[in-house]
Amino acid sequence: ETGVTQTPRHLVMGMTNKKSLKCEQHLGHNAMYWYKQSAKKPLELMFVYNFKEQTENNSVPSRFSPECPNSSHLFLHLHTLQPEDSALYLCASSQASLRTQETQYFGPGTRLLVL
Amino acid sequence: AQKITQTQPGMFVQEKEAVTLDCTYDTSDQSYGLFWYKQPSSGEMIFLIYQGSYDEQNATEGRYSLNFQKARKSANLVISASQLGDSAMYFCAMRDGTGNQFYFGTGTSLTVIP
Repeated sequence: ETGVTQTPRHLVMGMTNKKSLKCEQHLGHNAMYWYKQSAKKPLELMFVYNFKEQTENNSVPSRFSPECPNSSHLFLHLHTLQPEDSALYLCASSQASLRTQETQYFGPGTRLLVL
Repeated sequence: AQKITQTQPGMFVQEKEAVTLDCTYDTSDQSYGLFWYKQPSSGEMIFLIYQGSYDEQNATEGRYSLNFQKARKSANLVISASQLGDSAMYFCAMRDGTGNQFYFGTGTSLTVIP
């Protein structure tokens, strides 16, 4: 496989469930990101990992728990979510760099519905 | 405070015509990067074009060009010779001077009319 893959593509869960989103990149990048995309709102950066270390956590509620076991894999563990957490969750990767021209490459996203 | 502003929720363009999608940004960094992404209905964000804050020439990538006006803090995307496949959401984004933060606008929905 090439690029950035995400599984599952669609997920429906109840507020008491625990689930995980998975992201894998095959681009040799060393930075990975989780974004939340809700309707009518800008894309929100949730977490940033550089060389497996979390470098940014943009005030994300603790019911979202990221995990980055290596530079190619990123997980987002979900528990006791709220209906307002329903959104498209996008994973992205890039080269970790202070140079601002390093662009991100995105996966296809997981569309999450919380009932 | 919103860092990226896209004031056009929706745009229509005739096939084969050119269209400009507006983007303004707000930053106090000297070094930053500006990006445009396309998001079809399938959901995947596709990188289109990049402009660095120190680049003196406007970026071009095929039919895409970025009209960079640094003093006005604007980075408009120009799509020439529109095609039906260009119909999608378009997002302007900025990477800050630390390299770790990305800011996205609310997007512009472009519809190409046959």
